[in-house]
Amino acid sequence: DVQLVESGGTLIQPGGSLRLSCVASGVPVTYNYMTWVRQAPGKGLEWVSIFYHGETTYYADSVKGRFTISRDNSKRTLYLQMNSLRADDTAIYFCTRGTYGDSVVWGKGTTVVVSS
Amino acid sequence: FMLTQPLSVSGSPGQTVTISCTRSSGNIDSYYVYWYQQRPGSSPTTVIYEDRERPSGVPDRFSGSIDRSSNSASLTISGLKTEDEADYYCQSYHSSIWVLGGGTKLTVL
Repeated sequence: DVQLVESGGTLIQPGGSLRLSCVASGVPVTYNYMTWVRQAPGKGLEWVSIFYHGETTYYADSVKGRFTISRDNSKRTLYLQMNSLRADDTAIYFCTRGTYGDSVVWGKGTTVVVSS
Repeated sequence: FMLTQPLSVSGSPGQTVTISCTRSSGNIDSYYVYWYQQRPGSSPTTVIYEDRERPSGVPDRFSGSIDRSSNSASLTISGLKTEDEADYYCQSYHSSIWVLGGGTKLTVL
């Protein structure tokens, strides 16, 4: 089974930068897309960004121009580079992986707190 | 567009509950619908993918359906168990981007 493990979350000051990582392990190697989804304290899930296998990417309006999604296939790792962080970026960040005709796999998340 | 879910639903053990997910514009059957379960303190897991498919390990008490007349998707849980108490989210697509519903809290009384 595919497992996703996120890391990189921490306490960071407003205006700072942070890079989250999501490592995929297990089989299969192929996938169609990977996403970042976040959940602010006590709130619902919010989609952040998606990376398609053909390297097409999309972003939620709330993070466009500040966040960048990327992937290193050799390391089976998805990244989220987050710049100009704001207090409302405080959330648990989940990584997901999807394959057409199969279920979506979720990681356990990593916590980002933006505060001075 | 938006995916609208009821804020909360409830049921007693053994009963059947249905959670709706209404698409505000565009056809519900234009893109697949997914359903995620999030128990308190845990990350989400997929209970239904591609409208009505169940991942391995998800009991057949969970089922998904599409209703074109109401432009909505539904998650039905039969034979309710206390372990089903969780938040449930629907998800679909607007072109190539994800759209998530606001979530429904299921309480098992």
